[in-house]
Parts: sequence; C-alpha cells; structure tokens
Amino acid sequence: KAGVTQTPRYLIKTRGQQVTLSCSPISGHRSVSWYQQTPGQGLQFLFEYFSETQRNKGNFPGRFSGRQFSNSRSEMNVSTLELGDSALYLCASSSFGTSGGQDTQYFGPGTRLTVL
Amino acid sequence: DQQVKQNSPSLSVQEGRISILNCDYTNSMFDYFLWYKKYPAEGPTFLISISSIKDKNEDGRFTVFLNKSAKHLSLHIVPSQPGDSAVYFCAATQGGSEKLVFGKGMKLTVNP
Repeated sequence: KAGVTQTPRYLIKTRGQQVTLSCSPISGHRSVSWYQQTPGQGLQFLFEYFSETQRNKGNFPGRFSGRQFSNSRSEMNVSTLELGDSALYLCASSSFGTSGGQDTQYFGPGTRLTVL
Repeated sequence: DQQVKQNSPSLSVQEGRISILNCDYTNSMFDYFLWYKKYPAEGPTFLISISSIKDKNEDGRFTVFLNKSAKHLSLHIVPSQPGDSAVYFCAATQGGSEKLVFGKGMKLTVNP
C-alpha cells in the first residue's frame, strides 16, 4: 500500500504571500491531520479532518486553514506568510472510523516551507 | 505548558547494548501513547504504541513500558543497531482523538 504523499516537498515564499500544501492519505484512510515542526516548538498539531469536516483544531491563528475533499485528500493553506511560519509541515493519515480501537497515524515526508 | 516531556535531548549507546528512552506526561487523561522515529528530511515513522490498559507492549526489538501512577513511559531497544540512530518522539492522545501531543524528541546515536 502506498504511504502518505505530500506535495510539494520544498517551497520558498516571501512574507505576505500565501501557500497551499497538499496531502494524499493512505488508501482507505479517511482521517487526515496536519502538524507543524519547528526547532523551537517541536511537533505541534494544527488540525484534523474526517469525512470533509474539521474535527479538531490546534492553537494556531486563523491564517492557517485546511480542507478535505471527498476522496480524503487534504490541503492546508497559510495566508499572509510570516517569517515564523518557516517549518516542516507534516500530514498524517489514520484509519479512524473504519476500524475498532485506537488508530495509528502514519506520516508523510513533509513539506519544507521557507519564508523569506 | 508542555504535557509530554522528553527530558534528555540525546543518548549515545554501543551497538548491541540496550537503549532506554524515557518520556513523562502530565495530563492524566492521556490513554494512548506512541513512539515514532524520525530521520532528517523524512516524516516520523511509527514504531510502537501502548494503551493505558496495559503496562507493557513488545514488538521485536522494541518494548514500551507504561507506569501510569508515575505518568512515565519508556522505550527499550534491544539490541541496539547503528540503523536505530535517529530522533525518537514520544506522543500521547486521549479519548480516541487523532490529536497527538508530542515530546520535543531525543536523538539516539548507536555507535558501531
């Protein structure tokens, strides 16, 4: 089974621009979560989508948004980019809702965003 | 407030010996714990997990121990191999939520 894929892998933007990152979950997985990894804050939860609905949201400003499509693919958008948004953005998918018990999240390789 | 803590930033062990990675948590509502391994420029790779109804889970060379009263878990790798050299993250969640709370990670170096 193919793993979680994220595009693009690397991105360079300037302050004030906006960016859209894409994530394709493992086939059959309907839950997609997004995380931000920075050297100072570590891995922090952004939000989670299940069946096209946002179920959980972390403590990030409204500039960070996301959506999920009917095929479970997800995108996240960051508007009005700031220097501090430079980070590795990771997407994870799980089989939540399709199996019993706790589900494990499997991560993609991430998108490295650099804001200049 | 850091709810999941990995207090040691790094650990160095000899190949063949045991590696013990520790993790503490403060939120008593956490009921599911996971360990991930991460190489540079890659996403975290799931290693092993444990539910709060258990105190031990084993998978090959990896064993996770959970001490709920101490709010402490540890990952044992036996025997350690050079390919285990990576950053290890402890994560926790509660109530079936997909929101994982991660520790800051610990860099393990296994020397040949």
